Amino acid sequence: DIQMTQSPSSLSASVGDTVTITCRASQSVNRFLNWYQQKPGRVPKLLISGASNLQSGVPSRFSGSGSGTDFTLTISDLQPEDFATYYCQQSYATLLTFGGGTKVDIK
Amino acid sequence: EMQLVESGGGLVQPGGSLRLSCVASGFTFGSYEMNWVRQAPGKGLEWISDINSRSSGVFYADSVKGRFTISRDNAKSSLYLQMNSLRAEDTAVYYCARKGEVIAFDVWGQGIMVTVS
Repeated sequence: DIQMTQSPSSLSASVGDTVTITCRASQSVNRFLNWYQQKPGRVPKLLISGASNLQSGVPSRFSGSGSGTDFTLTISDLQPEDFATYYCQQSYATLLTFGGGTKVDIK
Repeated sequence: EMQLVESGGGLVQPGGSLRLSCVASGFTFGSYEMNWVRQAPGKGLEWISDINSRSSGVFYADSVKGRFTISRDNAKSSLYLQMNSLRAEDTAVYYCARKGEVIAFDVWGQGIMVTVS
């Protein structure tokens, strides 16, 4: 199975900050890498597919980059509603896997 | 509006069985791969099973392989998860999720709690 490792596991940031979350795959997943946001008690929401394709309705302050094994999710000008847990997920292999998550909370 | 609604969760003893259902509406269910994803209390997301649109391909995470069975009925727009030999570590919220054209989980159910105790 492809292992997905996210870092950091948590971070504290302030409104207006720029935040970067890293996701590393144990082998190449090409650009089959997706990012989800989950708020407490809520259903996960797809933010970015194919490493960098922003889903409809997702604010442009979210961006994704990378290919192969190394990927990043960047949130610019962090807003109060962005405090949540973020997960990466590979859809390259038959057996799909998620990263462990990165919790973004208020400093 | 695209919607997925799970049912069938609850409390079950270790070694017991449970069958989850997920009914889809608002899209052509039979055209999409469907998945089950779970989340143990306070933990991250774990993909557990996938079924293709015609049920000709099914896949499982190692953690559930041999104990869980995914199936679907396209005529009823329904997805199922038969869970046998349940263990305490299977306690989680179970989500059904659509794998959309973007090869990602773009539609999620509200989740259903399964407690093994």
